Amino acid sequence: QQQVKQSPQSLIVQKGGIPIINCAYENTAFDYFPWYQQFPGKGPALLIAIRPDVSEKKEGRFTISFNKSAKQFSLHIMDSQPGDSATYFCAASNEGFQKLVFGTGTRLLVSP
Amino acid sequence: DVKVTQSSRYLVKRTGEKVFLECVQDMDHENMFWYRQDPGLGLRLIYFSYDVKMKEKGDIPEGYSVSREKKERFSLILESASTNQTSMYLCASISGGRESGYTFGSGTRLTVV
Repeated sequence: QQQVKQSPQSLIVQKGGIPIINCAYENTAFDYFPWYQQFPGKGPALLIAIRPDVSEKKEGRFTISFNKSAKQFSLHIMDSQPGDSATYFCAASNEGFQKLVFGTGTRLLVSP
Repeated sequence: DVKVTQSSRYLVKRTGEKVFLECVQDMDHENMFWYRQDPGLGLRLIYFSYDVKMKEKGDIPEGYSVSREKKERFSLILESASTNQTSMYLCASISGGRESGYTFGSGTRLTVV
């Protein structure tokens, strides 16, 4: 049972493009939504996170947009670079719980 | 720099063997997790521990057990390895608030033949 659905599974964009990765959740008790970035041969690392009391959060070239009524959130990468090529995971957790539920991942390739 | 170290990068084991995957963190974190990562399925939680000798089942605990005798070490045990347990196994730890994020190890790629 997939509690966080992520799409697309893979994505190819040209350098400078704006890849968008989407996630949807069902559990309304989720109150914390991080994104993790994973490079080949490495474990995932926290990239950016948002709580449902805001609709957008920006850190550098990475932006999370959050739509609470639709139970959806997305990651946008502005001015994407080849170095952004990685697998991206969205995740969610309940308040008071440390464990995360992860999406299925999106493999992003940014071509030069 | 904080670290989560997984003892093996690659392992090949035979069906029916008992397999131990070791994870050590040097950050004095209370919470530790074992996930498996499979293409198209993402990261799925096997077990987690929020304190020494404490453990909780995750979403896919069948065929696995864990041990946490010391705060820094969290072991995943495959009691009788099967081919469907061929996967990438990731250990993670976290302390305090969720905003600090998980620290993951680099993973152990286990192949069961």
